[in-house]
Amino acid sequence: AQSVSQHNHHVILSEAASLELGCNYSYGGTVNLFWYVQYPGQHLQLLLKYFSGDPLVKGIKGFEAEFIKSKFSFNLRKPSVQWSDTAEYFCAARKNAGNMLTFGGGTRLMVKP
Amino acid sequence: EPEVTQTPSHQVTQMGQEVILRCVPISNHLYFYWYRQILGQKVEFLVSFYNNEISEKSEIFDDQFSVERPDGSNFTLKIRSTKLEDSAMYFCASSELGQGNQPQHFGDGTRLSIL
Repeated sequence: AQSVSQHNHHVILSEAASLELGCNYSYGGTVNLFWYVQYPGQHLQLLLKYFSGDPLVKGIKGFEAEFIKSKFSFNLRKPSVQWSDTAEYFCAARKNAGNMLTFGGGTRLMVKP
Repeated sequence: EPEVTQTPSHQVTQMGQEVILRCVPISNHLYFYWYRQILGQKVEFLVSFYNNEISEKSEIFDDQFSVERPDGSNFTLKIRSTKLEDSAMYFCASSELGQGNQPQHFGDGTRLSIL
């Protein structure tokens, strides 16, 4: 069965620190990968997605993610976090031929000012 | 930016009662979805809907659940004879097309509490 796992449940950083959130998936075949962010009290918003081509994808707000097929990973990165990045981050995967998004468990990021 | 809207934001219901959760997808989107998140657990897929029929559903989506697009704008999830374990956050989503690389746009969710 397909699954997505996020290794860190809670991350606390100071402003200007670098961020890397881990995401691993288990799928056979072609997979599309997404990172969503949920700011406090708001809905899930798409940060970035990967479906083909350059494995390094850039998203909104300075985030990027790298697809490493050999490691089944799609880690999210940001070189310098801000207090406003405090949110919960969800990795998700979807088969090319399917409708279902499979989510990881989420990572709560707190950025201290 | 267009949004998916969900009502109500919070629904409290007695066990055994029926509930209907409402969603208005983004207007030019053709695919609609329901997900749920039980407190402390992952967001789980329930069902997808296209062209007035279910296109995919998970094991969770049993006979207790049904979906409907009663008019040109609303998309509803009905839960019959609710159980305590149905308490969760329910998210509606929509996408313009159904291909795997199409992002799904989510609503704010409805918190369902079963007493």
